[in-house]
Amino acid sequence: NAGVTQTPKFQVLKTGQSMTLQCAQDMNHNSMYWYRQDPGMGLRLIYYSASEGTTDKGEVPNGYNVSRLNKREFSLRLESAAPSQTSVYFCASSEAPPGGVDTQYFGPGTRLTVL
Amino acid sequence: AQKVTQAQTEISVVEKEDVTLDCVYETRDTTYYLFWYKQPPSGELVFLIRRNSFDEQNEISGRYSWNFQKSTSSFNFTITASQVVDSAVYFCALRPLNRLAFGKGNQVVVIP
Repeated sequence: NAGVTQTPKFQVLKTGQSMTLQCAQDMNHNSMYWYRQDPGMGLRLIYYSASEGTTDKGEVPNGYNVSRLNKREFSLRLESAAPSQTSVYFCASSEAPPGGVDTQYFGPGTRLTVL
Repeated sequence: AQKVTQAQTEISVVEKEDVTLDCVYETRDTTYYLFWYKQPPSGELVFLIRRNSFDEQNEISGRYSWNFQKSTSSFNFTITASQVVDSAVYFCALRPLNRLAFGKGNQVVVIP
């Protein structure tokens, strides 16, 4: 199993450009997440999707939109990129077993630079 | 509010020394979960352990051990006899509902 995959691995954008980060998981998980990681800040939740068809804002949603295309795929869109969005973006997925708690499993990350 | 504090930003040790990473958390929830993740230089995040708020038993897994103390809101992580492959950033995380709140991470550098 590939687990959680993300494309692209690296991207350089100019201010104002748009792009979509793709994420897919093959673990049949219901929940998916997008985080950003900045130096000295840990990981911060941008958006999450508890199940197919639902999305919710996390801690830092401004400047981003998401789409839960189907159970496998959860994309993150930057409509007009800004230098403050230079970061490493991680996608994660999870599934809670009956009566249990979920553990989030992460993709390899996308390193985005906005000039 | 949920908060995780990892006060030590960078820790350097000589190979074979032990290293302990401190994690202090804040939450008003009575049920919650705590996690540790490892981020090696390659960048991926690797799940290490999960512990729920009702289980204060310490855990040992090979050279890794965890000390959960609810009375002090701490979930500390010790690497015994460190190796160069342990060089990584280690994140502590708190999950009260369905969102993980991460600490800022501890950068561990193991010097050969």
